[in-house]
Amino acid sequence: GAVVSQHPSWVICKSGTSVKIECRSLDFQATTMFWYRQFPKQSLMLMATSNEGSKATYEQGVEKDKFLINHASLTLSTLTVTSAHPEDSSFYICSAQGGQDSYNSPLHFGNGTRLTVT
Amino acid sequence: ELKVEQNPLFLSMQEGKNYTIYCNYSTTSDRLYWYRQDPGKSLESLFVLLSNGAVKQEGRLMASLDTKARLSTLHITAAVHDLSATYFCAVDPASFYQKVTFGTGTKLQVIP
Repeated sequence: GAVVSQHPSWVICKSGTSVKIECRSLDFQATTMFWYRQFPKQSLMLMATSNEGSKATYEQGVEKDKFLINHASLTLSTLTVTSAHPEDSSFYICSAQGGQDSYNSPLHFGNGTRLTVT
Repeated sequence: ELKVEQNPLFLSMQEGKNYTIYCNYSTTSDRLYWYRQDPGKSLESLFVLLSNGAVKQEGRLMASLDTKARLSTLHITAAVHDLSATYFCAVDPASFYQKVTFGTGTKLQVIP
């Protein structure tokens, strides 16, 4: 149980275009989802906390107009990278916490999306 | 601001040897997670530690939590090549599920 699906797994796009990444909790409801960014050989950096039905909470230094987050339902959160530039190239990972035994559960992670902006 | 430090950052060890990875954190918390990440992959949950003195074991890995010392350890027993990966600890601040903070990661290389 507690499966988080992230799509796409990898995407290559041109500078200036926008890319949408989807994160779904398949078998549980997640009122809160988290979006992380990971550069090569580095740890995960929390970008924002996505709450169902309300605005996302962004971490300091993360541009909310560039990284649009929508949490439209209890099972879906999306991250849109707008007007992407090569420096946005990174590994983006979503996570969610929830399910029957949410207190004893860790964060469940999607498989990640590797974004390359050319 | 919660800071989470892991030590060592990189570990190369021979098969059959034992070693411990340390995770120190800077604020009160009684929830700590350990994850494994293979190259190019996402994170796989290994352990959830929820209280002081918690100890969990799975195969050759054993994790413990000392909330008073703000320290968690991940002990590797008789390492095998398949354990080669990057290991992260992550601390969940007390009373919230928000802002889980990840450690710097420890890249483990087990040499046959």
